[in-house]
Amino acid sequence: DARVTQTPRHKVTEMGQEVTMRCQPILGHNTVFWYRQTMMQGLELLAYFRNRAPLDDSGMPKDRFSAEMPDATLATLKIQPSEPRDSAVYFCASQSYEQYFGPGTRLTVT
Amino acid sequence: GENVEQHPSTLSVQEGDSAVIKCTYSDSASNYFPWYKQELGKGPQLIIDIRSNVGEKKDQRIAVTLNKTAKHFSLHITETQPEDSAVYFCAASIRYSSASKIIFGSGTRLSIRP
Repeated sequence: DARVTQTPRHKVTEMGQEVTMRCQPILGHNTVFWYRQTMMQGLELLAYFRNRAPLDDSGMPKDRFSAEMPDATLATLKIQPSEPRDSAVYFCASQSYEQYFGPGTRLTVT
Repeated sequence: GENVEQHPSTLSVQEGDSAVIKCTYSDSASNYFPWYKQELGKGPQLIIDIRSNVGEKKDQRIAVTLNKTAKHFSLHITETQPEDSAVYFCAASIRYSSASKIIFGSGTRLSIRP
């Protein structure tokens, strides 16, 4: 049963610390998305990649967020420095035709 | 760009009754319309989708309808059960390659009353 995996599932950190979230897309899916979900904003698209190349990162605050795909089996989302307003659930999704979501990383910045 | 509006934001129905969630989209070029169900503490799960060359699609107790002229589509759940309680998202996409992004509605929180 192919699925998207994300680590860590939960992360609590102090303001100012670096946070790295990881995603393993479904094998063979060449498009990977990062979303952020909060109660107020719903599902926000932060960035997405095709064949490891960034296609659109306009939804991402560039000063502190960065997204990369070092290889086809790993996508990363980094926040440096983290702030309390970054507290949210971050989802990765991979797509061939249909788009499938991972279980999310719940980030709390204190 | 594409904009998807979803109504209602919350919906409460008696177990066994039907639930209907409606969405409208703005870009007439959109040709793929998935629906996602998100349970508490989990990621959104694709439950059904419809492509623009089809007007209706059914899968057991769920069905989706699409009206391209009016640019709206709906999710129908019949004989609702407690496990149907979740947040449902509609979405729209212009599918020309696997790189197309999906635009999501704001979600509907469905509660099934026992």
